[in-house]
Amino acid sequence: DAKTTQPNSMESNEEEPVHLPCNHSTISGTDYIHWYRQLPSQGPEYVIHGLTSNVNNRMASLAIAEDRKSSTLILHRATLRDAAVYYCILSPFNAGNNRKLIWGLGTSLAVNP
Amino acid sequence: DAGVTQSPTHLIKTRGQQVTLRCSPISGHKSVSWYQQVLGQGPQFIFQYYEKEERGRGNFPDRFSARQFPNYSSELNVNALLLGDSALYLCASTLVGTTTYQETQYFGPGTRLLVL
Repeated sequence: DAKTTQPNSMESNEEEPVHLPCNHSTISGTDYIHWYRQLPSQGPEYVIHGLTSNVNNRMASLAIAEDRKSSTLILHRATLRDAAVYYCILSPFNAGNNRKLIWGLGTSLAVNP
Repeated sequence: DAGVTQSPTHLIKTRGQQVTLRCSPISGHKSVSWYQQVLGQGPQFIFQYYEKEERGRGNFPDRFSARQFPNYSSELNVNALLLGDSALYLCASTLVGTTTYQETQYFGPGTRLLVL
């Protein structure tokens, strides 16, 4: 299974953009890139996912490198509520419904007021 | 709409005991996955069930088992508990359509298990 590499921790100031990097140099052509986050004492929460093209949604943007070996989650304006552990995950595309998410250690994001 | 619910929220057991954790997926979701999250680590995949059938299994011993019911709820059973089984057990549900594969997993708050 392809793995991801993320910085252990990052820090940001409130109202500023945050760029969370993820390396996945062994990604295969059909692996989806997912981002989830986990707030303290809660279950993980879906943020965004993509395959090849950059993606935007209400929560964030996902920028995927042309060779797909890295990606960046962008929070446009960090708020205190965005303080969480952010996981970059690859989902192998298998036939049928047998998929699993392989999680790493994630990046712990601190947001300063 | 109710999200994924799990019960109990907390549980304390002793070594050698057995435990059953329960999960109710979001209404309409047919797939349930179980994860174990040890403190300071990311979640580790244990099982995935879809339409009552096991569709995936992670690298866990046979002491771990699960099942899914006709209403798509699920139970995770762990026998002969070890101290190392102390963790947050997460359940996630997925809407798996017949024509479009929905990959977003919705997680419950988890059950925190402490084995003494």
